[in-house]
Amino acid sequence: DIVMTQSPDSLAVSLGDRATINCKSSQTIFYSSINKDCLAWYQQKPGQPPRLLIYWASTRESGVPDRFSGSGSGTDFTLTISSLQAEDVAVYYCQQHYTTRTFGQGTKVEIK
Amino acid sequence: EVQLVESGGGLIQPGGSLRLSCAASGFTVSSDNMNWVRQAPGKALEWLSVIYSGGSTYYADSVRSRFTISRDNSKNTLYLQMNSLRDDDTAVYYCAKDGEKGGFFQHWGQGTLVTVSS
Repeated sequence: DIVMTQSPDSLAVSLGDRATINCKSSQTIFYSSINKDCLAWYQQKPGQPPRLLIYWASTRESGVPDRFSGSGSGTDFTLTISSLQAEDVAVYYCQQHYTTRTFGQGTKVEIK
Repeated sequence: EVQLVESGGGLIQPGGSLRLSCAASGFTVSSDNMNWVRQAPGKALEWLSVIYSGGSTYYADSVRSRFTISRDNSKNTLYLQMNSLRDDDTAVYYCAKDGEKGGFFQHWGQGTLVTVSS
């Protein structure tokens, strides 16, 4: 099974500053036949189901603010929030769908 | 509009069984890949199972042989039959629909809470 490891487990960022979350897969999740990485990012706020932010590693879901961006390929991926807003306080998860599906352990983002 | 509504959660004793339902609207469950994901209190998301549009099913190691995913096309509903429940199965259970052409989850239900306790 593919293991997804996020870092850090939590981070505190000042309003307006950049937040960076990393996600590493235990094996490549690059699907060569479609030239895409099978990696998604979600945001989850307390008491709510997760919300899809990014899929195929870097494609922003409709309605997601452009301060959210995804990058990386192969085994190493990054979610960046370019200018943290108060409403971005949440737990963020990466997820692979190269073989079945697996989530990372989550990264909690707070305001410093 | 795609909607997913879970039901069937509740309090169950260890060793017991429960069947969760996920009523879908706005699309046909048999035409899409459908999943169950759970979240124990204060813990991370855990993918449990998928049923592909073609009917193939897959499970996480933690629930294989105890849980069974299925669907009823006539009711447009997804199910999760859970047997031999344990304390660590206590969680909110979500159904989730795969995205277009990919195994990422574009649509989620609100979840149903399962509490396993004596």
